[in-house]
Amino acid sequence: DQQVKQNSPSLSVQEGRISILNCDYTNSMFDYFLWYKKYPAEGPTFLISISSIKDKNEDGRFTVFLNKSAKHLSLHIVPSQPGDSAVYFCAASGGSQGNLIFGKGTKLSVKP
Amino acid sequence: DVKVTQSSRYLVKRTGEKVFLECVQDMDHENMFWYRQDPGLGLRLIYFSYDVKMKEKGDIPEGYSVSREKKERFSLILESASTNQTSMYLCASSTLTGLDTQYFGPGTRLTVL
Repeated sequence: DQQVKQNSPSLSVQEGRISILNCDYTNSMFDYFLWYKKYPAEGPTFLISISSIKDKNEDGRFTVFLNKSAKHLSLHIVPSQPGDSAVYFCAASGGSQGNLIFGKGTKLSVKP
Repeated sequence: DVKVTQSSRYLVKRTGEKVFLECVQDMDHENMFWYRQDPGLGLRLIYFSYDVKMKEKGDIPEGYSVSREKKERFSLILESASTNQTSMYLCASSTLTGLDTQYFGPGTRLTVL
């Protein structure tokens, strides 16, 4: 059973607008969440993370929001740029799970 | 700056061949990981290692083995390659206490004919 779910396989956004990528998790023991970005033919690169003691973390154009009661997190990119076009993976860790659990990814396309 | 390198970017092998994928990290990280990435399936953990000569199975270890003789090097071995092992293979490393933030190599695109 998937513990980390990214229900939208793809998302298309106009340049300059907000991109919102969503992620749901089922394991209430998860206490650390990360977003990775992956370009084709490259390895994923760490983007931003959030601990379960926070509900928001911001880094430049990227903000991650965590709603523990809903077991939901989201990544906001404002403003979106064509260079943001990539696959975004949500990941979680914590509890008895010693490793990162990844979602299946959402492919973001930012159109000029 | 963390650097994780993988021996090949692209590899083509034939069914039944033994395949070695090498990964080296230069940040003295204790943990190393092998994933495969397939469209629609995300990243799936094959094997990981917390220390030299130590290995643990991930979610999909069947058909694979690993070797960690030195701290900086983690090898993935396909004993007898099959077409369903055609995939993008990604190596990652992290510190002992920083299991959360893994640093990835560029990946090896393996095609098995």
